[in-house]
Amino acid sequence: DAGVIQSPRHEVTEMGQEVTLRCKPISGHNSLFWYRQTMMRGLELLIYFNNNVPIDDSGMPEDRFSAKMPNASFSTLKIQPSEPRDSAVYFCASSLSTGVVYNEQFFGPGTRLTVL
Amino acid sequence: QKEVEQNSGPLSVPEGAIASLNCTYSDRVSQSFFWYRQYSGKSPELIMSIYSNGDKEDGRFTAQLNKASQYVSLLIRDSQPSDSATYLCAVNSYTSGTYKYIFGTGTRLKVLA
Repeated sequence: DAGVIQSPRHEVTEMGQEVTLRCKPISGHNSLFWYRQTMMRGLELLIYFNNNVPIDDSGMPEDRFSAKMPNASFSTLKIQPSEPRDSAVYFCASSLSTGVVYNEQFFGPGTRLTVL
Repeated sequence: QKEVEQNSGPLSVPEGAIASLNCTYSDRVSQSFFWYRQYSGKSPELIMSIYSNGDKEDGRFTAQLNKASQYVSLLIRDSQPSDSATYLCAVNSYTSGTYKYIFGTGTRLKVLA
């Protein structure tokens, strides 16, 4: 298996621009997670999906952030408009949930976002 | 109080020694516990999972869980310089009808050659 795939790996944009991050989870996994990591705040869960349905988006910092999962093999995280404080590494992870237990998560390589 | 707490370190140990990493959590209904390793500039990777009280061993790694005291630890025996990384504790619980998967901020481990 190719693992979790994220694109782009690096993104440099100017303040005010729209940014779209993409993720392809591991085939067969039914849960998908979006994280943001910074030195100051560590690894923060933004939103997660179970069977393509958003379960908890309480970590999404504000309305500028939105996420979709139109099918089991694709998800996007969009920031519009972007701000310099959005600069971070964004990780996508997937796992196989069984009943009430979420199993280990497998992380993609991350997208390093820089907003100038 | 943070939901998952770890000492940020750095924890420095000499090569060949035992490294002990600790994690406490606040949610008593937490059900599963994970240790991830993250090298600088890389993504987290799972190294151990533990679901019941006691010890679980995998090679040089031992995870220990004590639900009564709400802590989970990771021991690394015969530490190697290649073990130098940040170790993240993650806790999975099901409360108020939703799942929560919470990471600690990580402990940076330095193994000195």
